[in-house]
Amino acid sequence: EAQLVESGGVLVHPGGSLRLSCATSGFTFTDYWMTWVRQAPGKGLEWVATIDFDGSDTYYMDSVKGRFIISRDNAEKSLFLQMNSLRVEDTAVYHCGRVITGASDYWGQGTRVTVSS
Amino acid sequence: DIVMTQTPLSSPVTLGQPASISCRSSESLVHIDGNTYLSWLQQRPGQPPRLLIHKISNRFSGVPDRFSGSGAGTDFTLKISRVEAEDVGVYYCMQGKQLPWTFGQGTKVEI
Repeated sequence: EAQLVESGGVLVHPGGSLRLSCATSGFTFTDYWMTWVRQAPGKGLEWVATIDFDGSDTYYMDSVKGRFIISRDNAEKSLFLQMNSLRVEDTAVYHCGRVITGASDYWGQGTRVTVSS
Repeated sequence: DIVMTQTPLSSPVTLGQPASISCRSSESLVHIDGNTYLSWLQQRPGQPPRLLIHKISNRFSGVPDRFSGSGAGTDFTLKISRVEAEDVGVYYCMQGKQLPWTFGQGTKVEI
């Protein structure tokens, strides 16, 4: 069965940077697009970014365009999210997910990012 | 962006009794490929989201058959035929027809 494990979430000051990682196993990584979804404290789910099979196409929610970069290392079966110019409103648990057509079928437990002064 | 609206936002249920959640999208979720990309996810307390149903009515691997999805176009329903204690949590509908994926506000199911 597919497994996804996120890491890298910490407390960071506004304006700071952070790189999240998602290590995967149990499936052929190169066969799937991958995605990041976040959940602010006490709130619902919010799609953040998606990347295609080899990283040639990437997609972002409007509020993170120009600040976040989604990438992948297919040799390492890993997904990343580089987060720059962080804002208080980026505070959330970030989940990585494996993409099937029109949905995400496996999700990681998430990593907590707190942006605060 | 497609707006997803769930009702109710809270659903007190009785063990062994049925439960139902509705979801409406601001536009049709029928994709040009003919599929309708409406999914349902469950989030138990302290857990990550879990895919229950995709493409309106297709139960994901390992999902009990007491969960069923129905609907078409812009109106969809998740039904639990007989609620069990492990079903407590928040349920989200999600559209995957186009990016950005968007989610309903969530429906809290509690005993």
